[in-house]
Amino acid sequence: DIVLTQSPATLSLSPGERATLSCRASQSVSSYLAWYQQKPGQAPRLLIYDTSNRATGIPARFRGSGSGTDFTLTISSLEPEDFAVYYCQQRSSWPPVFGQGTRLE
Amino acid sequence: ELQLVESGGGLVKPGGSLRLSCAASGFTFNSHKMNWVRQAPGKGLEWVASITKTSTYIYYADSVKGRFTISRDNAGDSLYLQMNSLRADDTAVYYCARGSGDDWFDLWGQGTLVSVSS
Repeated sequence: DIVLTQSPATLSLSPGERATLSCRASQSVSSYLAWYQQKPGQAPRLLIYDTSNRATGIPARFRGSGSGTDFTLTISSLEPEDFAVYYCQQRSSWPPVFGQGTRLE
Repeated sequence: ELQLVESGGGLVKPGGSLRLSCAASGFTFNSHKMNWVRQAPGKGLEWVASITKTSTYIYYADSVKGRFTISRDNAGDSLYLQMNSLRADDTAVYYCARGSGDDWFDLWGQGTLVSVSS
């Protein structure tokens, strides 16, 4: 199975700052990578799919980039509601796999 | 409103069984692959099982293969997960998740907690 490694495990920033989250795959996943946001006590929500496409209703401050094995989620200017856990997920090969998450605090 | 609502979770003893349900509304259920994803307490997300639109293809994580059975009722807009031979490490919140056309998980339910303990 493909392994996704997210870094850092925890990212401590303030509102208005820029956040950069990383996801590295153990082998190429082409562009088949997504990002999900999960707030405490809530279900995950799809943010970005196919590396850089924002899901419906996702603000433009969320941007995904990368290809192959290295991917980045950038939040340009943090809003208070952005503090959450973020997971990457690949669908390049079966089974679908999630990274272990980055907590943005 | 687009919605997935899980039910059926609870406390069960090791070796026991439980059946989870997921009721879909607000979209054409039979047009989507459906999935179960779980999250152990304080841990990350783990894909559990998937079923295609007409139940032609079914897939399981190795950790549940032979113990769990995913099924769906397109007439009733419902998804199910029959869980047998439950173990302590099956303890988790179980989410029902809709598959997008490209197999991303684009709609999630609120989850139902399954606790396996003696």
